Amino acid sequence: DVKVTQSSRYLVKRTGEKVFLECVQDMDHENMFWYRQDPGLGLRLIYFSYDVKMKEKGDIPEGYSVSREKKERFSLILESASTNQTSMYLCASVTQGAYEQYFGPGTRLTVT
Amino acid sequence: RKEVEQDPGPFNVPEGATVAFNCTYSNSASQSFFWYRQDCRKEPKLLMSVYSSGNEDGRFTAQLNRASQYISLLIRDSKLSDSATYLCAVNDFSTGNQFYFGTGTSLTVIP
Repeated sequence: DVKVTQSSRYLVKRTGEKVFLECVQDMDHENMFWYRQDPGLGLRLIYFSYDVKMKEKGDIPEGYSVSREKKERFSLILESASTNQTSMYLCASVTQGAYEQYFGPGTRLTVT
Repeated sequence: RKEVEQDPGPFNVPEGATVAFNCTYSNSASQSFFWYRQDCRKEPKLLMSVYSSGNEDGRFTAQLNRASQYISLLIRDSKLSDSATYLCAVNDFSTGNQFYFGTGTSLTVIP
């Protein structure tokens, strides 16, 4: 059974804090993605990675950075959390060839 | 202009009804097409891929119209358990395996 796990389901942080969201997949997928999902805006891509140590900006990378030191792990970093980063964060992975994306359960982040 | 557009609904239909959703995409180079289902406070899960020839899985039928750049999802004999948000997604290899999702269409099946 395929598995994408995220480090936290719910997280509350204060404005200005540095926040780490971790994602791990056990399917040996090359490609990994970080999205945020907000009502009325759908899924928006923050960053993606197609290989270890490789990263590409998505549609809304401002205020975020990522790290991929190992194939199975893709981390999203909020350098200085702000209230407009309150959202649901979803990690996904897919094997090369653009088939089904598998999503993690999501992290609901609240920044106060 | 958004890459992928969907009518957000909500669609409220009685049990047993047939309901159809459409999704339009702007990039004619898009090569892969999908419908995802997302339950409240859960992650999206693949419902079905959409092939050029159309495909059917039980009560669900997906179709692709490349000329008009839209994909559709038809649900027949709606069940209460079909209540969810349905997201369409497209992908083209030229953007580095990036997927584009619609905002989702909300469906509620009423007893």
